[in-house]
Amino acid sequence: DAGVIQSPRHEVTEMGQEVTLRCKPISGHDYLFWYRQTMMRGLELLIYFNNNVPIDDSGMPEDRFSAKMPNASFSTLKIQPSEPRDSAVYFCASSRSGGRTDTQYFGPGTRLTVL
Amino acid sequence: AQSVTQPDIHITVSEGASLELRCNYSYGATPYLFWYVQSPGQGLQLLLKYFSGDTLVQGIKGFEAEFKRSQSSFNLRKPSVHWSDAAEYFCAVGAAAGRRALTFGSGTRLQVQP
Repeated sequence: DAGVIQSPRHEVTEMGQEVTLRCKPISGHDYLFWYRQTMMRGLELLIYFNNNVPIDDSGMPEDRFSAKMPNASFSTLKIQPSEPRDSAVYFCASSRSGGRTDTQYFGPGTRLTVL
Repeated sequence: AQSVTQPDIHITVSEGASLELRCNYSYGATPYLFWYVQSPGQGLQLLLKYFSGDTLVQGIKGFEAEFKRSQSSFNLRKPSVHWSDAAEYFCAVGAAAGRRALTFGSGTRLQVQP
């Protein structure tokens, strides 16, 4: 079974440009999470969805960030306009509810560099 | 609010030596605890997890961790480290219900000397 798929793996863009990061969760998983990893702040949650509905977006830094999940197999994280301080590695993770397990499986990440 | 502290930013051990990485958590109820490993340029791979029951948890790659409620700790151990274990290790705490996102520690970078 394929794991969490993220694209692109690397993105270099200029300040002010729109950036779209993509994620395909593991089939059958009903939770999807977006995390950001920086040297200064470590791993922090941005937003998560349950059954395609955003549940907690309190970690989204500001209105420049938006996330959607149009269906169970696809999610996007968009930054518009991008700024140099958005440079980070963005991880998508998914998990399946039910029982006592709540294990999140992470994708390989997208390394974003904003010049 | 839940939190995780990994007091050691960087640890160096010799290959074949034993390893213990420390993790302390703060959480109001019985937590779900996890250890993940991140190799350079890679995503996070789950090493092991604790939900309830036996406080000594076995994971992949020969790792184990022990949950100690009295000390609010979940330390990761390995009896004999291999050069391929060099990576960054993250402890995380999650809730059983409600907010399901994980709270991560700041990570411990492990260096293995030949």
